[in-house]
Amino acid sequence: AQSVTQLGSHVSVSEGALVLLRCNYSSSVPPYLFWYVQYPNQGLQLLLKYTTGATLVKGINGFEAEFKKSETSFHLTKPSAHMSDAAEYFCAVSDRGANNLFFGTGTRLTVIP
Amino acid sequence: DAGVIQSPRHEVTEMGQEVTLRCKPISGHDYLFWYRQTMMRGLELLIYFNNNVPIDDSGMPEDRFSAKMPNASFSTLKIQPSEPRDSAVYFCASSQFALGRPSGGAFFGQGTRLTVV
Repeated sequence: AQSVTQLGSHVSVSEGALVLLRCNYSSSVPPYLFWYVQYPNQGLQLLLKYTTGATLVKGINGFEAEFKKSETSFHLTKPSAHMSDAAEYFCAVSDRGANNLFFGTGTRLTVIP
Repeated sequence: DAGVIQSPRHEVTEMGQEVTLRCKPISGHDYLFWYRQTMMRGLELLIYFNNNVPIDDSGMPEDRFSAKMPNASFSTLKIQPSEPRDSAVYFCASSQFALGRPSGGAFFGQGTRLTVV
């Protein structure tokens, strides 16, 4: 079964600083990879996904993530944090050809003015 | 498109009562998922439907939980009888394609926050 590990349940960055949220998956076959964002009292919104092709994926709100097979990682980054980025971020994986979606435990991002 | 619509947004009920959560998926989406989110267990898939047919309900915690999808535009998740440990946020999500396809991707509703006292 797939599993997803998000290192750091809480991350704090200063406004304008680099955002780095870590995600590692466990699978011998590269899965499809997703990042979702959840704002307070809201549902989850898809930020970006990797399926095939270019390993650097760009998403909404200036976020991007790079799939690194050798490291089984899919870390989420943003060059400059905005106050509006404060939210909880979930990494998720889906087996190719299957119809499941396994979520990590989430990372709460705080942006300090 | 209005997105996935869930109702109610908040539900407070007494232990032992029946609770029904509702979901309207995005039009044209063939897949519908019910998730539960708690602090202890994070996001868990309860059940999903494909073309109104339940495909995998292995995540449904107990027989007290049941889900139906009578047509392509409506689904319910029912808990009878409810217990305090059922308190959680329940999300409905829909997808046009299977998640394991390159074009797959789930769209979530805003959730129903259930509190059982």
